[in-house]
Amino acid sequence: DVQLVESGGGLVQAGGSLRLSCAASGFSFRSYWMHWVRQLPGKELMWVSRIDSDGSSTEYADSVKGRFTISRDNAKDTLYLQMNSLRVEDSAAYYCVRDIYSGSYNFDPWGQGTLVTVSS
Amino acid sequence: DIQMTQSPSSLSASVGDRVTITCRASQTISNYLNWYQQKPGKAPKLLIYLASSLQSGVPSRFSGSGSETDFTLTISSLQPEDFATYYCQQSRSPPLTFGGGTNVEIK
Repeated sequence: DVQLVESGGGLVQAGGSLRLSCAASGFSFRSYWMHWVRQLPGKELMWVSRIDSDGSSTEYADSVKGRFTISRDNAKDTLYLQMNSLRVEDSAAYYCVRDIYSGSYNFDPWGQGTLVTVSS
Repeated sequence: DIQMTQSPSSLSASVGDRVTITCRASQTISNYLNWYQQKPGKAPKLLIYLASSLQSGVPSRFSGSGSETDFTLTISSLQPEDFATYYCQQSRSPPLTFGGGTNVEIK
């Protein structure tokens, strides 16, 4: 079965850092573009970032550009999100998601999510 | 950024009802429109991609239509397991954006 399992969330003070990880299994991880999507406490979904299959190209939402860095280790089948200078408004559930085919921007499957809480 | 507006934000329906949810894009997106279902405590699940293509494993009572700026998700005969929140998402270009969601509740 295709599976994505996130980890690394938690409680952090504003200005702090966290690194999220997403372990992939059941498919050829190195062949797919990957994304991070977050869901705010009010249930709004917001795309955060994407990375292409070999990690050579990335994109970010304006609200996280310069603070967050997406990366991947294809040897370990793992996706990462390094989050620096965290703000209260970054509090959300963060989901690791896969393109159904690379570059499609159609998200399936999704991981179970990891919760990030930023306190003031 | 492309803004996605869903309506209604919530609806009440009975098992067996035909349900329609609409999504409007702030600019033309061709058929680059996806629909997701989310149940409480779970991650979203892809139902429809490219406006009308049914994702593998999704029941045929779900269908999508539309193009350019106006799109529709239809559930032909609502089942108990369909009570959930539905989101549209444009896949035309980053930043990829979602609608605000439609909560389908039991009448």
